[in-house]
Amino acid sequence: KAGVTQTPRYLIKTRGQQVTLSCSPISGHRSVSWYQQTPGQGLQFLFEYFSETQRNKGNFPGRFSGRQFSNSRSEMNVSTLELGDSALYLCASSLAGRQGAGANVLTFGAGSRLTVL
Amino acid sequence: ILNVEQSPQSLHVQEGDSTNFTCSFPSSNFYALHWYRWETAKSPEALFVMTLNGDEKKKGRISATLNTKEGYSYLYIKGSQPEDSATYLCASPGNQFYFGTGTSLTVIP
Repeated sequence: KAGVTQTPRYLIKTRGQQVTLSCSPISGHRSVSWYQQTPGQGLQFLFEYFSETQRNKGNFPGRFSGRQFSNSRSEMNVSTLELGDSALYLCASSLAGRQGAGANVLTFGAGSRLTVL
Repeated sequence: ILNVEQSPQSLHVQEGDSTNFTCSFPSSNFYALHWYRWETAKSPEALFVMTLNGDEKKKGRISATLNTKEGYSYLYIKGSQPEDSATYLCASPGNQFYFGTGTSLTVIP
């Protein structure tokens, strides 16, 4: 079965621009969560969507937003890019039948590497 | 916010050596503890999901134990091979997944 697909894999933007990243989860997975990874930092949680609703949000500024469509595909958007937004952005999908359920294993995509110049 | 910590930050071992590393997490309101392996240029992949105190899981040469009362989990690799080189992440789910910063393992042939 197809894995989690993220597009684009690499992109370069300049400060002030905005970017949209896409994530297609595994078929049947209704939860999609997004993470930012920068050198020296662990995976930082951005937000989680389940059935088109944002269930949880991490501690990121409002420039970071997301949405989920009826087919569970998700997008995240970063507006007014800053140099510090350069990072690997990972999305992960899971069954997540219950919020916070510990048994819901995350399946990750390959990530989108964003460079802001 | 759950504070999940991993140690050591990095580790270099010779092929054939056995090794282990630690994940510590708050023991209150425990749901589960996940271990993921993240190889360079690949996606993180789930290794284990552990939920019960005293749990012990094994996959080939890799095993993990869980102590929920004291808030730690150990990951063991027996007879390390170069293909074990990766970053090993642990995560504790609450309202969101809280990840440690990982242990980077390099196995030298």
